Amino acid sequence: LAKTTQPISMDSYEGQEVNITCSHNNIATNDYITWYQQFPSQGPRFIIQGYKTKVTNEVASLFIPADRKSSTLSLPRVSLSDTAVYYCLVGDLSYQLIWGAGTKLIIKP
Amino acid sequence: DVKVTQSSRYLVKRTGEKVFLECVQDMDHENMFWYRQDPGLGLRLIYFSYDVKMKEKGDIPEGYSVSREKKERFSLILESASTNQTSMYLCASSFAPRGGTYNEQFFGPGTRLTVL
Repeated sequence: LAKTTQPISMDSYEGQEVNITCSHNNIATNDYITWYQQFPSQGPRFIIQGYKTKVTNEVASLFIPADRKSSTLSLPRVSLSDTAVYYCLVGDLSYQLIWGAGTKLIIKP
Repeated sequence: DVKVTQSSRYLVKRTGEKVFLECVQDMDHENMFWYRQDPGLGLRLIYFSYDVKMKEKGDIPEGYSVSREKKERFSLILESASTNQTSMYLCASSFAPRGGTYNEQFFGPGTRLTVL
């Protein structure tokens, strides 16, 4: 099973672009890369998922290099409401995912 | 919108008590999951179920059991609560994989259980 490594915490300011990088050196061929967001007193919420190259949706982009050993979640023009914990997961089946401690992102005014 | 509800937001129990945590989802999802979340450890899978009356152990099943009698409901049972089971418990549901792809999980708000 792949294991992910991501920074424990990050700070940024409103209006900035925030990039959170996750390393997953042992990712398997069938594994997808998924990011979740969690606010205090709530369960995690799915943000984005990808397999290779770049994926973009209405809230974020996910960049995955050719070797797939890392990935970067990009949040454009963050606001105070983006303050949350962000989890990077790799796996191909829901019950085989390993959740790390996540990255606590603090957005300052 | 998918809705996953959990029976309690906060629960306080005494050591040795039998504890039931209930989870209900309204999206006809095949898969349901129970996690516990502790500071610095992320989420750890306790049990999951891929169908009614079916269950599989996750990473930390010791001290827990589960029940899934109906598709929409998944219960976590602490047979004899202990202080080291004080934690946040999260329930989630998802569709079964389609063609081998992962499907996102939808989480409930969590139950913060304190065992005294």
